[in-house]
Amino acid sequence: SAVISQKPSRDICQRGTSLTIQCQVDSQVTMMFWYRQQPGQSLTLIATANQGSEATYESGFVIDKFPISRPNLTFSTLTVSNMSPEDSSIYLCSVARAGQGYTFGSGTRLTVV
Amino acid sequence: GQQVMQIPQYQHVQEGEDFTTYCNSSTTLSNIQWYKQRPGGHPVFLIQLVKSGEVKKQKRLTFQFGEAKKNSSLHITATQTTDVGTYFCAVHSNQAGTALIFGKGTTLSVSS
Repeated sequence: SAVISQKPSRDICQRGTSLTIQCQVDSQVTMMFWYRQQPGQSLTLIATANQGSEATYESGFVIDKFPISRPNLTFSTLTVSNMSPEDSSIYLCSVARAGQGYTFGSGTRLTVV
Repeated sequence: GQQVMQIPQYQHVQEGEDFTTYCNSSTTLSNIQWYKQRPGGHPVFLIQLVKSGEVKKQKRLTFQFGEAKKNSSLHITATQTTDVGTYFCAVHSNQAGTALIFGKGTTLSVSS
């Protein structure tokens, strides 16, 4: 299965600031997915990132708040902008491999104070 | 978009007891995937079920896909403390294409 390097693993940020999360995959993939997981909750899809096109956002998530970059087939970033305490969560990137399910990065635990 | 209901939300068992979690959909599914997330970890893929009535086994874990492809279950025989974690079913969203939509998960705790 794919290996995903995600960083930072955790961060504590001041409200009103922005944090960019990076995911590097060890091989080329068409789509990358960004999820949010609040404490004790399930995973919620934020957006799907395709290389060379705008990301597709799920209901309740907007590009101004969660801008995504996908400069090539092995890399993507998610920025959490103008953070508030409600953005405190775990953010995960993921890629799919046919027949092998989805592989997740180790996650970024974000605390906004 | 696609949704899947998962029950129970929590289950506590004594080591050696069996455990089952269920996922149900109101619509026919093309396939369903199962994941395990250990405390403090990230979800890890367990299996994908595709065929109607499919049953797959991984050691003490048995996965079933309903005949109508609207429900699925994960059964663990003789639980061990290493089985602790949250088990999620996941299905593809019609709206999001290939992206996965996760059930709410069942958190299993095991006491020895």
